[in-house]
Amino acid sequence: EAGVTQSPTHLIKTRGQQATLRCSPISGHTSVYWYQQALGLGLQFLLWYDEGEERNRGNFPPRFSGRQFPNYSSELNVNALELEDSALYLCASSSSWVTNQPQHFGDGTRLSIL
Amino acid sequence: SQELEQSPQSLIVQEGKNLTINCTSSKTLYGLYWYKQKYGEGLIFLMMLQKGGEEKSHEKITAKLDEKKQQSSLHITASQPSHAGIYLCGASLAAGNKLTFGGGTRVLVKP
Repeated sequence: EAGVTQSPTHLIKTRGQQATLRCSPISGHTSVYWYQQALGLGLQFLLWYDEGEERNRGNFPPRFSGRQFPNYSSELNVNALELEDSALYLCASSSSWVTNQPQHFGDGTRLSIL
Repeated sequence: SQELEQSPQSLIVQEGKNLTINCTSSKTLYGLYWYKQKYGEGLIFLMMLQKGGEEKSHEKITAKLDEKKQQSSLHITASQPSHAGIYLCGASLAAGNKLTFGGGTRVLVKP
């Protein structure tokens, strides 16, 4: 069974640009979660999508947005990039949020802002 | 204070020795999850605990959940170099919701 896949592995942008990160969940998983792991700040919850809908959002500005497609894959978009957006962005998927099934993580996209 | 406190922050053990990592929540736990992360990589799911008193083991790793104390512990027996990495506890603090993570414990196993 293929795990959660994320692309690209690395992304280098400059301030003010826009970045798009992609995630494919494990087959059969309908929930997709996005997390940010910035140096010194730990893992912070960004967004949760389930069945195409945004279900919950972390304490991040509106320039962080995303969507989930009918095949359950997801995109994270970050507009007007700032230096502090440099981080490892992790995507996770789970089979059921109702029964708190574990989230399985991808290897992440490392976003560097110059 | 943080919702999920993890201790210690780092740990250096001699190969073959045991080690324990603790994770304490300030809120009711709906689920407690242990992960391992190698630096700069994704998280590897280790174990999930949902019921008070629950204990699970996989190879040399055992995790326990003390519901009354809202606390979980991860114990590694006879540590090996392959156990080195960052261990993270994640908790579901509301039904069907995001995970809140502890600060992580960096484990180094000296040969």
